[in-house]
Amino acid sequence: AQTVTQSQPEMSVQEAETVTLSCTYDTSESNYYLFWYKQPPSRQMILVIRQEAYKQQNATENRFSVNFQKAAKSFSLKISDSQLGDTAMYFCAFMTGGSEKLVFGKGTKLTVNP
Amino acid sequence: DSGVTQTPKHLITATGQRVTLRCSPRSGDLSVYWYQQSLDQGLQFLIQYYNGEERAKGNILERFSAQQFPDLHSELNLSSLELGDSALYFCASSRDRGQPQHFGDGTRLSIL
Repeated sequence: AQTVTQSQPEMSVQEAETVTLSCTYDTSESNYYLFWYKQPPSRQMILVIRQEAYKQQNATENRFSVNFQKAAKSFSLKISDSQLGDTAMYFCAFMTGGSEKLVFGKGTKLTVNP
Repeated sequence: DSGVTQTPKHLITATGQRVTLRCSPRSGDLSVYWYQQSLDQGLQFLIQYYNGEERAKGNILERFSAQQFPDLHSELNLSSLELGDSALYFCASSRDRGQPQHFGDGTRLSIL
């Protein structure tokens, strides 16, 4: 069974600084996809970034980037120039190529302080 | 706005009752997924429909059922409700295998 582990239940960062959220996963599959979702206090689930396992290049979306280490089964999210609006729960999620269900980690609660 | 519409936003009911949650996917998306978010279980996949057919099943109780209609909207039916069914229920949709799933705003279900 696939599992996703987020080892940091809570983190805080000062506005304009950089923060990295950790995620590890366990799978025997070779074809899979990884995602980060953001859930602000409004409770919406918002896609932040997506990574395909067969791509070596790390995905980036504006201030958000990932460090994908396939051998280590690690998928961390870096947020640069943190903004107050980045305050949210962040969920790491995994999907195999053969199954379309998302398996989520337990989340990291990020607080950006002014 | 994700383009996925869920109704109602909030639902309060009593134990033993039955409720129906509704989801309209993004235009062009054939797959609909249902997830449950609770404090103790986190985010759990319940069930997936693709173009009207059930495609995958997760940790869905026998008291729960779902369907997807010809217009691609989906309904999740929860019956014989228990206190532990109180949770946030999300619907998501996607275009194709491996593509991102876009989530609706969720339905907050409270069982009294």
